[in-house]
Amino acid sequence: KAGVTQTPRYLIKTRGQQVTLSCSPISGHRSVSWYQQTPGQGLQFLFEYFSETQRNKGNFPGRFSGRQFSNSRSEMNVSTLELGDSALYLCASSFVLAGGVAYEQYFGPGTRLTVT
Amino acid sequence: GQNIDQPTEMTATEGAIVQINCTYQTSGFNGLFWYQQHAGEAPTFLSYNVLDGLEEKGRFSSFLSRSKGYSYLLLKELQMKDSASYLCAASDSNYQLIWGAGTKLIIKP
Repeated sequence: KAGVTQTPRYLIKTRGQQVTLSCSPISGHRSVSWYQQTPGQGLQFLFEYFSETQRNKGNFPGRFSGRQFSNSRSEMNVSTLELGDSALYLCASSFVLAGGVAYEQYFGPGTRLTVT
Repeated sequence: GQNIDQPTEMTATEGAIVQINCTYQTSGFNGLFWYQQHAGEAPTFLSYNVLDGLEEKGRFSSFLSRSKGYSYLLLKELQMKDSASYLCAASDSNYQLIWGAGTKLIIKP
């Protein structure tokens, strides 16, 4: 089956601009999570969407927002970009077990965002 | 607060066995995940434990003790390709994954 796809793969933006990243999950996966990864920082959780609703949110400022569409595709938006937003943004999709656990996340290749 | 602790870096020899420990403190618990991440690549799923005990999957095994808030990943017959970061993540009461910073495993010939 097709994997998780993210577009674009690379992006260069200027401070103050905004950016929208897109994620297409594996067919049948209804949970989509977004992460920020920087060297030495590990995975920082941004938010998770499940059935078009934000189920969980990490400790990021309100400049970071997201949404999920009825086909489970998800977008992430960052407004008023700062230099510190330069990072790899990973999207992961998963099947949700009957009890609610998002099982075995499949990660996309990521979008490398550079803010200058 | 919620927290995951795992060693920053470990070194082992090809062919040997290594155990990577993870301790967690979460509000509620819905299971413990291990992921492998090679440099420059996205993480890939290794295992999921929700009940106490050992789960074996080929050369990799994962153990969980819920009462101690403790898990470990055991890698046997180490190969050079096992050089990677290993991420521990716990699912809390809201099904949010709380991630550790990862353990960088270096394999020497």
